[in-house]
Amino acid sequence: DGGITQSPKYLFRKEGQNVTLSCEQNLNHDAMYWYRQDPGQGLRLIYYSQIVNDFQKGDIAEGYSVSREKKESFPLTVTSAQKNPTAFYLCASSIGGTGGFWQPQHFGDGTRLSIL
Amino acid sequence: DAKTTQPTSMDCAEGRAANLPCNHSTISGNEYVYWYRQIHSQGPQYIIHGLKNNETNEMASLIITEDRKSSTLILPHATLRDTAVYYCIVRVGGNSGYALNFGKGTSLLVTP
Repeated sequence: DGGITQSPKYLFRKEGQNVTLSCEQNLNHDAMYWYRQDPGQGLRLIYYSQIVNDFQKGDIAEGYSVSREKKESFPLTVTSAQKNPTAFYLCASSIGGTGGFWQPQHFGDGTRLSIL
Repeated sequence: DAKTTQPTSMDCAEGRAANLPCNHSTISGNEYVYWYRQIHSQGPQYIIHGLKNNETNEMASLIITEDRKSSTLILPHATLRDTAVYYCIVRVGGNSGYALNFGKGTSLLVTP
């Protein structure tokens, strides 16, 4: 089945440690996104990518980094510079491309990150 | 993107229609209305979207008023599995507006 796979489902980070969250899609979508969700809150955009080898900062990019070396993959690294990383992280994708950004975004099931 | 206003919570009896309202009085002509829902601890699920006309799919119907300042999501026969937070989002089409502003949404509780 086509979809978006995020792994791991749960992740624990020690103080001062970088961790990488995986996001893979087999929908052949051009655009991919990373959001952060805090308890009882809406989603906030961290980074997005419209096409391979290109990505843009969202509203809360500080302390995070991404890469887009392959169309199907958009990993997110939470660096030690992110002082409050405990949150639910969601990856999404959409068709994107010319005139296609109005197409809906489809989400993975998220990774819950906690600090030890 | 236009701001949306939704009730904080709603209840619906199982088997009845759930009608979830959304106000978007500042919507502009090229902004789409999207509905998503999120079941606890899962990723948001896309439901339906529309621009001007009413839309229907296997999950729901979307009714948009003629002036486009409000819309209603209709779940025709609500089940217990429809209990979730429902988000109404307006967003510009084309090559701008990459983020979805989910806001607080409406928490729908479907009761037996």
